[in-house]
Amino acid sequence: GAVVSQHPSWVICKSGTSVKIECRSLDFQATTMFWYRQFPKQSLMLMATSNEGSKATYEQGVEKDKFLINHASLTLSTLTVTSAHPEDSSFYICSAANRPAGLAGISDTQYFGPGTRLTVL
Amino acid sequence: AQSVAQPEDQVNVAEGNPLTVKCTYSVSGNPYLFWYVQYPNRGLQFLLKYITGDNLVKGSYGFEAEFNKSQTSFHLKKPSALVSDSALYFCAVRAAGNKLTFGGGTRVLVKP
Repeated sequence: GAVVSQHPSWVICKSGTSVKIECRSLDFQATTMFWYRQFPKQSLMLMATSNEGSKATYEQGVEKDKFLINHASLTLSTLTVTSAHPEDSSFYICSAANRPAGLAGISDTQYFGPGTRLTVL
Repeated sequence: AQSVAQPEDQVNVAEGNPLTVKCTYSVSGNPYLFWYVQYPNRGLQFLLKYITGDNLVKGSYGFEAEFNKSQTSFHLKKPSALVSDSALYFCAVRAAGNKLTFGGGTRVLVKP
């Protein structure tokens, strides 16, 4: 259980185009999903928190107009990198929190997708 | 603000020997601690977590971690390492809003 998928697994695009990445929780519902960015040989940097039915919460320094997040349902969140440039090339990883019934909050575990490698030429 | 430190960039161990990956944390309030493993070009896989209760937490693939409140540590351990354990390991602490703050990661190399 607790499987998170991402699509696509890798994408190459031209500078100036937009790229959409999907994150799905396959066997559980997630009111909250998270988007991370990881540079080579570095740790994960939280970009934003995606909340079902409401606006995403962005971390300081992350441009919300550039990284559009939509959490359309309890199993799907999308990240759109708009007008991508080479410096946006990175490994993007999403996660979804699986909340055990009756233990709201403290026992949440984040399960991660396999990641999407974006290369902008 | 919470923080996590993994003091070793890389740990080398021979197959069959014990493996320890160190993690210390700083957080206000009760610490909720996690360990994840990442294989090349993959997302993170959940290994184990400490929320409350027994200080020794057992997780996936034979890993365990010991929570030490006085030393603010949450070291990951495995009694007998396998070559397939070679990967990147991340310690994380959960903050408000279920946000995770990650350590810098420790690369484990298990040699046959």
